[in-house]
Amino acid sequence: DTGVSQDPRHKITKRGQNVTFRCDPISEHNRLYWYRQTLGQGPEFLTYFQNEAQLEKSRLLSDRFSAERPKGSFSTLEIQRTEQGDSAMYLCASSRDLAGGYEQYFGPGTRLTVT
Amino acid sequence: RKEVEQDPGPFNVPEGATVAFNCTYSNSASQSFFWYRQDCRKEPKLLMSVYSSGNEDGRFTAQLNRASQYISLLIRDSKLSDSATYLCVVNPGSSASKIIFGSGTRLSIRP
Repeated sequence: DTGVSQDPRHKITKRGQNVTFRCDPISEHNRLYWYRQTLGQGPEFLTYFQNEAQLEKSRLLSDRFSAERPKGSFSTLEIQRTEQGDSAMYLCASSRDLAGGYEQYFGPGTRLTVT
Repeated sequence: RKEVEQDPGPFNVPEGATVAFNCTYSNSASQSFFWYRQDCRKEPKLLMSVYSSGNEDGRFTAQLNRASQYISLLIRDSKLSDSATYLCVVNPGSSASKIIFGSGTRLSIRP
């Protein structure tokens, strides 16, 4: 399977704990994006990387959230001191660079439940 | 006003019917437009890009109206497998990569 993969698929954690999610993009895609989606809403942009550089962050990304893409391949999204409001589906997507268009391809997501 | 607005539905139509959705966007400088499909508890999947001249892919036709700032999706001869949420997606032009999703329109096809 050469699509975007995410791990874990589900995560249940207690409030106050830290969690980390991983995303592996399509191999030839330079750009990687993180989104959050809650029930009945479309995905909301969190941040994106061009290779290893984090080029944009949403105001939704509070200080408790951090994302990395250290070698320009896979990425991690960490949430510190989780809150119940963090419960959502966290989606990763990747795309080619600008010249190749904006079409983004999504992974299956990590569903986070904070109890 | 939301940047991208869609009628949430649900649209409940019989198999074989033709159904159309509209989506409006607020930023007149928006550059790229897409329709994504999302099945329940699954990730969004790209259905089609929307070009200025309009485009067709089998039973699906997408149109862009820049003057009125809306895009549309037409599904002909609907199948049971078309039941899903259809997400309108717009690149507002302020960032090369940021895209804005609508909340989606739910479609249910009945036998």
